[in-house]
Amino acid sequence: EADIYQTPRYLVIGTGKKITLECSQTMGHDKMYWYQQDPGMELHLIHYSYGVNSTEKGDLSSESTVSRIRTEHFPLTLESARPSHTSQYLCASSGGGQGRGYTFGSGTRLTVV
Amino acid sequence: AQRVTQPEKLLSVFKGAPVELKCNYSYSGSPELFWYVQYSRQRLQLLLRHISRESIKGFTADLNKGETSFHLKKPFAQEEDSAMYYCALWSTGKLIFGQGTTLQVKP
Repeated sequence: EADIYQTPRYLVIGTGKKITLECSQTMGHDKMYWYQQDPGMELHLIHYSYGVNSTEKGDLSSESTVSRIRTEHFPLTLESARPSHTSQYLCASSGGGQGRGYTFGSGTRLTVV
Repeated sequence: AQRVTQPEKLLSVFKGAPVELKCNYSYSGSPELFWYVQYSRQRLQLLLRHISRESIKGFTADLNKGETSFHLKKPFAQEEDSAMYYCALWSTGKLIFGQGTTLQVKP
């Protein structure tokens, strides 16, 4: 079934560890996005990509990095996790025209201890 | 600058009462607007988009360009409508989200 998948669903990790949050979509969408959802539930765009080898930083400054080597895959990496990175991370994709909006993944809830 | 504002963080109503979730936007041009919903323990999902002029789960939203608003309405709230609602504006290839409004429907 065409969908967008995020793994892991939950992650508890120690300070200083390197982590990669996975996001894959099977819908053939060209645009992909990462959002951080804070405890107040606001959504902040941290990275986006309009296609292979295209990545841009979003509105919220983030110490994470992303890559887009394949259309379907848009992983997010934190080189050295800190407690301030504790949050919910949502991946989304969009295909076609602007009227279609996004499809969201289920999210990764990250806790850094 | 493009912006979406949802002035209410929490809206609490009784079952059967009418609901209106407010959304105002700032955009130069013809806007494309959406409402997204996040039920407890579920992923964020599209509820409706203004371009489709549709009614989903009894909800409707009308674009008012004069007031730059896209309020979400339902005549009779149900308990299963309790969720987080986000208004969003499409701009330069991405969505700009409002702060979100939690709708709480009490029995």
